[in-house]
Amino acid sequence: DQQVKQNSPSLSVQEGRISILNCDYTNSMFDYFLWYKKYPAEGPTFLISISSIKDKNEDGRFTVFLNKSAKHLSLHIVPSQPGDSAVYFCAATHGSSNTGKLIFGQGTTLQVKP
Amino acid sequence: DVKVTQSSRYLVKRTGEKVFLECVQDMDHENMFWYRQDPGLGLRLIYFSYDVKMKEKGDIPEGYSVSREKKERFSLILESASTNQTSMYLCASTGQFPYEQYFGPGTRLTVT
Repeated sequence: DQQVKQNSPSLSVQEGRISILNCDYTNSMFDYFLWYKKYPAEGPTFLISISSIKDKNEDGRFTVFLNKSAKHLSLHIVPSQPGDSAVYFCAATHGSSNTGKLIFGQGTTLQVKP
Repeated sequence: DVKVTQSSRYLVKRTGEKVFLECVQDMDHENMFWYRQDPGLGLRLIYFSYDVKMKEKGDIPEGYSVSREKKERFSLILESASTNQTSMYLCASTGQFPYEQYFGPGTRLTVT
């Protein structure tokens, strides 16, 4: 049972344009969502997060949008840069969990072309 | 600066060997995790631990075991390595909610 899904395995965009990465979830108990970025041969690094009490969170070029009714979140990168080329994972959790467990999506590989 | 370290970046082992992967965190985190990452399959949770000597199975525990004798250290053990355990292994730790996990650099394990 895949509770967090990233249905696009890959995405290719031109430098300077917007990248939009999508993520869907099924568990309505999730109340906190995170995005991680992973370069080859490195561990994932935290990028941005959003609480379920918000519908938008912005950090520089990165914005995450949350649509609770649709159980959908998206990560917008504007403008996209070649250094953004990486695998992006979305993850979800809920505050009633006391184990720190995150549920990860399968990842989307973003390629930003110069 | 938070830090999660893993004992090896690259490891090559033979089928049937016992393999130890060690992870150390310096953030006094209660929770630690072992994942493997394979193309198209994302991050799959093998085992996690929410306290010293406590462990729980993740989604794919078969063929693996873990040990957590000290809070800062979490070891993954492959009792008898097989070629289908060739993968990137990632360790992570986290404290309290909202559970932002900090990852180590990963160990690329090849079993021949």
